Amino acid sequence: EAQVTQNPRYLITVTGKKLTVTCSQNMNHEYMSWYRQDPGLGLRQIYYSMNVEVTDKGDVPEGYKVSRKEKRNFPLILESPSPNQTSLYFCASSLSPLASGRVYEQYFGPGTRLTVT
Amino acid sequence: SQQGEEDPQALSIQEGENATMNCSYKTSINNLQWYRQNSGRGLVHLILIRSNEREKHSGRLRVTLDTSKKSSSLLITASRAADTASYFCATDWGSARQLTFGSGTQLTVLP
Repeated sequence: EAQVTQNPRYLITVTGKKLTVTCSQNMNHEYMSWYRQDPGLGLRQIYYSMNVEVTDKGDVPEGYKVSRKEKRNFPLILESPSPNQTSLYFCASSLSPLASGRVYEQYFGPGTRLTVT
Repeated sequence: SQQGEEDPQALSIQEGENATMNCSYKTSINNLQWYRQNSGRGLVHLILIRSNEREKHSGRLRVTLDTSKKSSSLLITASRAADTASYFCATDWGSARQLTFGSGTQLTVLP
């Protein structure tokens, strides 16, 4: 079954304790992305990756890191989480927009609800 | 901001009625996509309409795009209780190679 998986689904942590949220897709997609969703603000893109070893900042990258060492995985790293990073996080993947210049439909993971106290 | 703005923010209708949601945006786009999100879950792609298309259908969904007005609408016909969800438009614009999402319309279909 084609899918995007995220782990963990729920996480409660304390300020400053480094954490990683994993994301994996089995569709051989080149393009992967991380979003955060906050009430009234919709989804905002944190980082995206066009392919292995190619990552770029989205609209709200501060406080986050990503890496893309393998095509299927795109982990999100919070080196020193703060309460304002409490949010619902989504990973998504799609075909690459490079050839066509258009963004294709995104396949979303189930979400990770993060609480930082 | 290029962010799409959905209207209304919330919509409550009876089962069997049609639901219409609107999306407005600010700059030229390559395509516009609509997604559905059930409470707290991942988004699911519904339909994509390209900038050179004016209307598209998929089952009970009808999407229109008016690039002169920079707006799109999503019509769900003969709604069902299972259509209760948040609906988001997302725009692919310029060479940014990313989607920008609006803040969504919360649709409630009453049985």
